[in-house]
Amino acid sequence: DAGVTQSPTHLIKTRGQQVTLRCSPKSGHDTVSWYQQALGQGPQFIFQYYEEEERQRGNFPDRFSGHQFPNYSSELNVNALLLGDSALYLCASSLGYMTGGDEQYFGPGTRLTVT
Amino acid sequence: TQLLEQSPQFLSIQEGENLTVYCNSSSVFSSLQWYRQEPGEGPVLLVTVVTGGEVKKLKRLTFQFGDARKDSSLHITAAQPGDTGLYLCAGDIWTDKLIFGTGTRLQVFP
Repeated sequence: DAGVTQSPTHLIKTRGQQVTLRCSPKSGHDTVSWYQQALGQGPQFIFQYYEEEERQRGNFPDRFSGHQFPNYSSELNVNALLLGDSALYLCASSLGYMTGGDEQYFGPGTRLTVT
Repeated sequence: TQLLEQSPQFLSIQEGENLTVYCNSSSVFSSLQWYRQEPGEGPVLLVTVVTGGEVKKLKRLTFQFGDARKDSSLHITAAQPGDTGLYLCAGDIWTDKLIFGTGTRLQVFP
């Protein structure tokens, strides 16, 4: 049973560039959430996708956008990168939407460094 | 706004000692999850608690959800070096959007 997978594992970008991160959910899961984890902090919720639509969003600017595909995989796009976007980006998958208490399973993350 | 406060932030102990990590909030959560995270990896789910007052045990780890579903604790008995890591609590306010605490970094020395 494949768990959550993310690619790439590491990425180095320059300020102003754009980046796309990818996530495949755990088998059987249909909901994907993205989190940003700065060094030494807990993960912060970016947004959540269900049925190919953004259903919830955290306190992140419009530079952060995403997409979910029919096979439930998802992408996170960040435009006009800032130094402060350097972080570990985590994808989590779960089953169902707005049912509360659904367990979320995390991927290994993508480490993004902006120089 | 940080809704979940974890304490202590850092804990350094010897193998065999017991410890407790606390996760507190003024908000009521529909569920609360505990994760352990190793450096450079994603958080790994340890347990989910849903009912107020619920106690769950996972080998040497005991998790408790407060009666009012606003707080939780993680107790480790006879800690081992393999328990070293970042422990995160995360609450769900009926939205499936997890709100994470700041984490407790545990170091267990042999």
